[in-house]
Amino acid sequence: GAVVSQHPSRVICKSGTSVKIECRSLDFQATTMFWYRQFPKKSLMLMATSNEGSKATYEQGVEKDKFLINHASLTLSTLTVTSAHPEDSSFYICSARASARGGDIQYFGAGTRLSVL
Amino acid sequence: AQKVTQAQTEISVVEKEDVTLDCVYETRDTTYYLFWYKQPPSGELVFLIRRNSFDEQNEISGRYSWNFQKSTSSFNFTITASQVVDSAVYFCALSEARAAGNKLTFGGGTRVLVKP
Repeated sequence: GAVVSQHPSRVICKSGTSVKIECRSLDFQATTMFWYRQFPKKSLMLMATSNEGSKATYEQGVEKDKFLINHASLTLSTLTVTSAHPEDSSFYICSARASARGGDIQYFGAGTRLSVL
Repeated sequence: AQKVTQAQTEISVVEKEDVTLDCVYETRDTTYYLFWYKQPPSGELVFLIRRNSFDEQNEISGRYSWNFQKSTSSFNFTITASQVVDSAVYFCALSEARAAGNKLTFGGGTRVLVKP
């Protein structure tokens, strides 16, 4: 399957700082990437759809100014958590949509565990 | 609106036992895709299978098999002769063809614990 790299895998930061998470498709081009948030022992919650060369589409209830998404190339999308607070602590995971025979498939990165002190 | 239900939150088995994970979905679309992903303790979601709504053939891949029943809107997953490495959370997901960006709707996940 296709490979998606997510970096960093873990970050600990102080309250008020901004954190950038990168999501790269390594062996395919992805016009669309997705950002999810996952709470402990819960399912994945879609935060936004990242579209190359255009603005991201955010899900209801997700603050656009809080979670900045940039998709400047066909292989890279970034999520910046601005002015992070303890309630932003979570597991963030990205996926990239790959075209495949019979329909598209989302391949996922390894996730980023964010801890805000 | 689409919905995916995984009624089993946690299943515990002893190694070599078979385990079946249930997945029931709801959609108004006639064209849709169903997926299973595995999330081991490391956190990464691993793609296992995709099935489109027009293909009701069951599939077997090694110890994994999937049973797609459109009549009951179910897409169940069976692990045969389970191994400790199968311990993970398994997610069933649905994507509607007309959904913008082919968004995935996930079920709540089923945690499988395989004991030696």
